[in-house]
Amino acid sequence: EADIYQTPRYLVIGTGKKITLECSQTMGHDKMYWYQQDPGMELHLIHYSYGVNSTEKGDLSSESTVSRIRTEHFPLTLESARPSHTSQYLCASTSSVDTQYFGPGTRLTVL
Amino acid sequence: GESVGLHLPTLSVQEGDNSIINCAYSNSASDYFIWYKQESGKGPQFIIDIRSNMDKRQGQRVTVLLNKTVKHLSLQIAATQPGDSAVYFCAESQGAQKLVFGQGTRLTINP
Repeated sequence: EADIYQTPRYLVIGTGKKITLECSQTMGHDKMYWYQQDPGMELHLIHYSYGVNSTEKGDLSSESTVSRIRTEHFPLTLESARPSHTSQYLCASTSSVDTQYFGPGTRLTVL
Repeated sequence: GESVGLHLPTLSVQEGDNSIINCAYSNSASDYFIWYKQESGKGPQFIIDIRSNMDKRQGQRVTVLLNKTVKHLSLQIAATQPGDSAVYFCAESQGAQKLVFGQGTRLTINP
């Protein structure tokens, strides 16, 4: 069982609001990832980090930003949310190149 | 470009029967493959993985087969149970420390 947590689990907000999605893991993993997923569809990598102070953009362009100040924490921020940002956001971590462990996800709805 | 995809978007089987979920990949350089199970409202859960130097790997009620000649991956679930109902994703590692996910197959277990 992976110890990776995401908050909030569900979020409904209005257009233009700034939001931060939290992701924390207690496994000491160096590598962390953010994916965006529409219901039942494939996961698209939007950000990743290989360690503290390291962040990279993923394959899918996203208006969100991330930071990695602490090993265990990898928050994702949207400065001004729009309806097009409505989706599920999944955080994952790994200690190697291989198996990634996922959090439960945050389902975001922007009105 | 490289992609990982599944042949069928949905699959229905009778409880107790065996199920086979297929996945095709296009990058012959991929050397690691993973199957994830995602239940409604949850993050993907690791099921089983296989490296490119293997053809077959077995877990508890699950078997993954890898055919590198035709770049095909399959997940076999034996004696399916209602709890096996979920969306199943294959993913490949392309050596860049990132996973590429397929589109997913929704498995429904009929009583």
